[in-house]
Amino acid sequence: SQELEQSPQSLIVQEGKNLTINCTSSKTLYGLYWYKQKYGEGLIFLMMLQKGGEEKSHEKITAKLDEKKQQSSLHITASQPSHAGIYLCGADPLDSGAGSYQLTFGKGTKLSVIP
Amino acid sequence: DVKVTQSSRYLVKRTGEKVFLECVQDMDHENMFWYRQDPGLGLRLIYFSYDVKMKEKGDIPEGYSVSREKKERFSLILESASTNQTSMYLCASTKGSTLWTRETQYFGPGTRLLVL
Repeated sequence: SQELEQSPQSLIVQEGKNLTINCTSSKTLYGLYWYKQKYGEGLIFLMMLQKGGEEKSHEKITAKLDEKKQQSSLHITASQPSHAGIYLCGADPLDSGAGSYQLTFGKGTKLSVIP
Repeated sequence: DVKVTQSSRYLVKRTGEKVFLECVQDMDHENMFWYRQDPGLGLRLIYFSYDVKMKEKGDIPEGYSVSREKKERFSLILESASTNQTSMYLCASTKGSTLWTRETQYFGPGTRLLVL
């Protein structure tokens, strides 16, 4: 089965600083999803990447999937307190156009932003 | 926007009680999922359903059952709650029945269950 390793496990940054979170798999990542979770709440979908080399941005958050499709990174520019939370990556284990029913998730990266 | 709601945000139950957690989605999605989330273990899939009355076991179905009598509603049942079922429970849904398209899972706000 596919396992996703997220690093770092936790991160504390000063407001205004840039940061990067990584999601690595020993197997090919198909349909890589990034979610954000505020403490005690549900997951909010951020972005989905499928193609090697693909990059997507939303406001100050950019996600990339490497060419080999084994690592994805989430980059936040000029962090703000509103970015604080737990970031999780999830991957579809199947290489099929229709995807699969199940996603495998990383354990999450806890981000704290100090004003 | 997709809306997935869960019946309770917080729940406290006693060991041995029967517990029902309900999830409702308002976007006519075909697929629905139940996960539990625990520190250090991440999200683990308990059960999912791809149609009314259809269900499939996930990674950790033991001690749980599910019911899907209507398309919009997916219930998770703890037949006899135990302390090791104290956890955060998350429901999700996807549209389903679209070929050659990966689908995003949309999550509810979660139910934090404490079993004493």
